[in-house]
Amino acid sequence: DAGVIQSPRHEVTEMGQEVTLRCKPISGHDYLFWYRQTMMRGLELLIYFNNNVPIDDSGMPEDRFSAKMPNASFSTLKIQPSEPRDSAVYFCASSRTAPGVYEQYFGPGTRLTVT
Amino acid sequence: SQKIEQNSEALNIQEGKTATLTCNYTNYSPAYLQWYRQDPGRGPVFLLLIRENEKEKRKERLKVTFDTTLKQSLFHITASQPADSATYLCALNYGGSQGNLIFGKGTKLSVKP
Repeated sequence: DAGVIQSPRHEVTEMGQEVTLRCKPISGHDYLFWYRQTMMRGLELLIYFNNNVPIDDSGMPEDRFSAKMPNASFSTLKIQPSEPRDSAVYFCASSRTAPGVYEQYFGPGTRLTVT
Repeated sequence: SQKIEQNSEALNIQEGKTATLTCNYTNYSPAYLQWYRQDPGRGPVFLLLIRENEKEKRKERLKVTFDTTLKQSLFHITASQPADSATYLCALNYGGSQGNLIFGKGTKLSVKP
């Protein structure tokens, strides 16, 4: 398996622009997670899905952030409008439901810079 | 408030020694705790999981302990090697759902030859 795939790997945009991050989870995994990592705050859970349904979005910072999972193999995280404080590395991760199996598999991340 | 803390931001040790990393938490009763490794420019990689009813778990040169009374987990790497240099993150489950995982900020381990 190719692992969790994220695109783009790097994104540089200007304040006010819309940013869309994409994720393809590992085939057969029914959980998908979006995280944000910064030096100051560490790795923070933004939202997660189970069977394509959003379960907990309490980590989404504000209404400028939205996430969708239209099918089991694709998810997007959108920021509109973007702000410099959104600059961070965004990770997508997936996992599967199985007794005693809880580890998450992370993608390589998207480094977002908002100027 | 709920907190998870990894006591050291950085830890420097000599090759061959045992590295011990600490993870403390407050106001949680996690069903399990996980440890991940993160290399620069990469996503975290799962290493070990330990459940609340387990005191210790081992995998090759790695050992994790979990003390629910002290609300603490210790992560040990024995016979450390320069290749073990990375940032190590602890993560604990909360809220009863597999998806609810909170991460510490990590400890950056440097193993000098």
